[in-house]
Amino acid sequence: KNQVEQSPQSLIILEGKNCTLQCNYTVSPFSNLRWYKQDTGRGPVSLTIMTFSENTKSNGRYTATLDADTKQSSLHITASQLSDSASYICVVSATGGYNKLIFGAGTRLAVHP
Amino acid sequence: KAGVTQTPRYLIKTRGQQVTLSCSPISGHRSVSWYQQTPGQGLQFLFEYFSETQRNKGNFPGRFSGRQFSNSRSEMNVSTLELGDSALYLCASSALQADGSPLHFGNGTRLTVT
Repeated sequence: KNQVEQSPQSLIILEGKNCTLQCNYTVSPFSNLRWYKQDTGRGPVSLTIMTFSENTKSNGRYTATLDADTKQSSLHITASQLSDSASYICVVSATGGYNKLIFGAGTRLAVHP
Repeated sequence: KAGVTQTPRYLIKTRGQQVTLSCSPISGHRSVSWYQQTPGQGLQFLFEYFSETQRNKGNFPGRFSGRQFSNSRSEMNVSTLELGDSALYLCASSALQADGSPLHFGNGTRLTVT
């Protein structure tokens, strides 16, 4: 069964600290993996999209890694800011169309001053 | 460029009623997809339209339907509302109908069924 599991479920860090969010998946055949940031009451915003051949992709202070062999991805946030407080959702796409998008439950990050 | 616009932002309906939600994609985007987001189930794919044709459908009952107009604007309809339909309904648009296309989400319509 295609599944995406994210950990931790929630996380609290102090402003300025780094953190890493995890995403493990069992999706086949794999097409791509996406990370989204969703602020409370708003729609998700794309951070990165990675295909099978990409190991690392950065977007400002956000760096995503992908290990297709172990089917794991991580999202690293550097020098966190209060505005990073949000839910981070990992989405894995199997080939074959939008109905093959498998969403993780998300990690809720709170950055405290 | 204006982003994806969803209307209305909030809706309160009674069980048994029907509701129509609207989505205006980013100009030039021909693919529009719809998602349901609930605290218990997370984000779930409803359906996707490209050039007025439904190309993909998720595992939702027939009470959930949609359509896309020639200007790429899309509507989603839910008939015979149930309490479990209370959710945030998100629409996303993309330039291409391809697995790797970035999805641009609107801010959603919050539907409450009482």
